[in-house]
Amino acid sequence: DQQVKQNSPSLSVQEGRISILNCDYTNSMFDYFLWYKKYPAEGPTFLISISSIKDKNEDGRFTVFLNKSAKHLSLHIVPSQPGDSAVYFCAASDIIQGAQKLVFGQGTRLTINP
Amino acid sequence: EPEVTQTPSHQVTQMGQEVILRCVPISNHLYFYWYRQILGQKVEFLVSFYNNEISEKSEIFDDQFSVERPDGSNFTLKIRSTKLEDSAMYFCASSIMDRVSYNSPLHFGNGTRLTVT
Repeated sequence: DQQVKQNSPSLSVQEGRISILNCDYTNSMFDYFLWYKKYPAEGPTFLISISSIKDKNEDGRFTVFLNKSAKHLSLHIVPSQPGDSAVYFCAASDIIQGAQKLVFGQGTRLTINP
Repeated sequence: EPEVTQTPSHQVTQMGQEVILRCVPISNHLYFYWYRQILGQKVEFLVSFYNNEISEKSEIFDDQFSVERPDGSNFTLKIRSTKLEDSAMYFCASSIMDRVSYNSPLHFGNGTRLTVT
């Protein structure tokens, strides 16, 4: 099942710089996209989401961009902080399947270097 | 901030045994879910539950699996006869609404690591 793909398994960024995490999807029925952050031994924690009717949503240091024609979304974190080091999951929900039956990407491990 | 709690954090069982994983969803949430993540693989949907019945389930959720809300606070996942391939991290989640929205993201617990030997 490759409906949601995060092609970079890991990313290393200097503290204070911008972190950009990418996600691609194939199912055009997806209408809502979410980013979750996961620390070891914890469950995924909701970060930010975007509806398919928007192309940008911002919340503090986190911004999600959606490019529907390219079926691509990205999460920007600026400035990056050491506490941002975690695994980031992109997830999508579709109109037909509905609801909170989320389809997840494989995750990208972000490391922020001091 | 209210959170979803799961017990135990780690469960080891022998193949063929029954296990029950327990969850206490956030108190004002109405929709409950189980997801799982096999080591090295994606987080995947198992089942959703509302109003004391299953509302959706994946093809993974076969007859070996069942869910129950035995009282007003607990939500359980039972695996009747565990197999080696059931070894995974199992996440319980809850939400206020059944539709994903900015106001109703899925809240996950910290998971139960199930090891089947």
